[in-house]
Amino acid sequence: NAGVTQTPKFQVLKTGQSMTLQCAQDMNHNSMYWYRQDPGMGLRLIYYSASEGTTDKGEVPNGYNVSRLNKREFSLRLESAAPSQTSVYFCASSERGDADTEAFFGQGTRLTVV
Amino acid sequence: AQKITQTQPGMFVQEKEAVTLDCTYDTSDPSYGLFWYKQPSSGEMIFLIYQGSYDQQNATEGRYSLNFQKARKSANLVISASQLGDSAMYFCAMRPLNAGGTSYGKLTFGQGTILTVHP
Repeated sequence: NAGVTQTPKFQVLKTGQSMTLQCAQDMNHNSMYWYRQDPGMGLRLIYYSASEGTTDKGEVPNGYNVSRLNKREFSLRLESAAPSQTSVYFCASSERGDADTEAFFGQGTRLTVV
Repeated sequence: AQKITQTQPGMFVQEKEAVTLDCTYDTSDPSYGLFWYKQPSSGEMIFLIYQGSYDQQNATEGRYSLNFQKARKSANLVISASQLGDSAMYFCAMRPLNAGGTSYGKLTFGQGTILTVHP
């Protein structure tokens, strides 16, 4: 099984450009997450989806939109990229939001906004 | 709201010795789960160990154990017999286990601790 797959792995954007980060999981998980990782800040939750059709803001949602297309896929969109959005982005999934099961992570997307 | 604090930006340990990585948390949820993840320099996130707030015993997984002190709201990771491959960033995380509330389902991470194992 592939687990959680993120695309692309690397991306350079110019300020003001838009892009969508794709994430898909093949574990039939209900919950999916988008995080950003910055030095000294740990992983901060951008958006969370408890199940297909539902999304909820996390700690740092400004400048981002998400779409839970179906149970497998959870995309993150930057409508107008800013240098402050330079970061490593991780998608994750877990069986349920209230479960004691761990979250499984994708390999990450390293995004640079110039 | 829930918060995880890891106060040690960096830790050093000699190979084969034990090391404790600190984690304190704050939550108003009555039941919650605590997780530890390892992130090597390659970047992937590797799940290490889980502790439920309702568990009577501390969790153990091989060389990893969790020193859970509920009253002090701490969930420290103990790595025994450190190996060079243990050099990595370590994250503590928590998630409420009950439906409802603004934090429902949200897995919150601390800032991380970089562990360096010396030969």
